[in-house]
Amino acid sequence: NAGVTQTPKFQVLKTGQSMTLQCAQDMNHNSMYWYRQDPGMGLRLIYYSASEGTTDKGEVPNGYNVSRLNKREFSLRLESAAPSQTSVYFCASGNDLPPYEQYFGPGTRLTVT
Amino acid sequence: AQSVTQPDIHITVSEGASLELRCNYSYGATPYLFWYVQSPGQGLQLLLKYFSGDTLVQGIKGFEAEFKRSQSSFNLRKPSVHWSDAAEYFCAVGAGGSYIPTFGRGTSLIVHP
Repeated sequence: NAGVTQTPKFQVLKTGQSMTLQCAQDMNHNSMYWYRQDPGMGLRLIYYSASEGTTDKGEVPNGYNVSRLNKREFSLRLESAAPSQTSVYFCASGNDLPPYEQYFGPGTRLTVT
Repeated sequence: AQSVTQPDIHITVSEGASLELRCNYSYGATPYLFWYVQSPGQGLQLLLKYFSGDTLVQGIKGFEAEFKRSQSSFNLRKPSVHWSDAAEYFCAVGAGGSYIPTFGRGTSLIVHP
């Protein structure tokens, strides 16, 4: 059981470049999430997907798009990267039963220059 | 909406000493409560969770937490800290009807030999 996997682990982009962060889970969860983590800011929710075929904005969605490709996979796309998007990105999947605890991937460290 | 406060940004303890990390929440009914640990460069790992029943919850790595409704608290404890416990600890609260938790800003645990 791999749990939640993310690729890549590290990425450096130039301003204006695009990229997609990949996430997959093997726990058969319906809900999946994308967070960013910045020093002193804790975890902030970017987008989430309650089930296959649905996505919703979180706290900080601007500059991002998501795709729920199937039940296992949930990708995050930066269309035109900005230095403000330098961060560590975490994908998580959530248990479908109370208390709906989340399970996190190892993260992607993104630097935009 | 629910909220969560971790009053201590940093906590320093000596190896072998006991530990208590504080977490206070704001929510009208009984919340779902979680503690996560994040080692440097890693994702968040679930330590323990509470949503009903016994208010003293046992978790992994020798940690426990106690839900105190009267104090709106869910403090994390360990009787004897090991150097490997040095990490960032996050408390999270979820409300009934919402499966998306709110995370605290985190407490950084430093362990002195």
